[in-house]
Amino acid sequence: EPEVTQTPSHQVTQMGQEVILRCVPISNHLYFYWYRQILGQKVEFLVSFYNNEISEKSEIFDDQFSVERPDGSNFTLKIRSTKLEDSAMYFCASTLGGNTEAFFGQGTRLTVV
Amino acid sequence: AQSVTQLGSHVSVSEGALVLLRCNYSSSVPPYLFWYVQYPNQGLQLLLKYTTGATLVKGINGFEAEFKKSETSFHLTKPSAHMSDAAEYFCAVRINTGFQKLVFGTGTRLLVSP
Repeated sequence: EPEVTQTPSHQVTQMGQEVILRCVPISNHLYFYWYRQILGQKVEFLVSFYNNEISEKSEIFDDQFSVERPDGSNFTLKIRSTKLEDSAMYFCASTLGGNTEAFFGQGTRLTVV
Repeated sequence: AQSVTQLGSHVSVSEGALVLLRCNYSSSVPPYLFWYVQYPNQGLQLLLKYTTGATLVKGINGFEAEFKKSETSFHLTKPSAHMSDAAEYFCAVRINTGFQKLVFGTGTRLLVSP
C-alpha cells in the first residue's frame, strides 16, 4: 500500500539553527500539507501546497517557515531559525484531490534545545 | 469557525469491554467528520469518515461512529476492545475551503488492560 514517508523520525537541533524536514508524498498525489502537534496540544494545520505554490497557510506559518517541492518527489518544510517553541511533532500529508482522503506520514519529532 | 472537542485525554477499558471515545464539533456548515488513529511510532491512519448520507459509519478494525446533528457529536465506538486497539485517537472536522484542511481535536489515548 502506498504511504507517505517522513525523514528523519527525530531531529534535535540548537535554537537558532535551520532545519529541513523531508517528506515523500504518495506518488500520484497532487496536494500536500504540513501539520504539527506540540506535546499535549492539538494537531494544527500549517500549510497546504498545490501546483508548486502555497494554497493556504495558517497564522503559525510565519516568515520563518517555507515549503518546497524541489524535485517532483520530495516535499520539504524548512524552519530558518528555530525557536524552543518550534519543538513539536510535524506531520506531512498528501491527497490525490482537494477533497479526497488525506494520507499522513509517521511524523518527525523536532526537539529544539 | 469549525472546531472539535474530545472529552477525556485518556480512556481506560478492559479487553472485551465497550470502547466509547467522545467527540463534539462546532461548525457553521454541514461538517465532514473524521476519526484518525495513531499507533506508536506511526503516522495518522484514517479509521472512518462521515461526509453525507448514512449517519452511522463503519470503519476499519470494527470501529464505528454516529453523526448526531442534534447533539453535534461524532462519538467513536467499538463493541469489544482488543489489546491492539491501544493507541491515540483523533477526531477531526474538515474546513470546506476547497482543500482538505483538517481541524483536529486534542486526541484521546486509549489504554486497554487484560
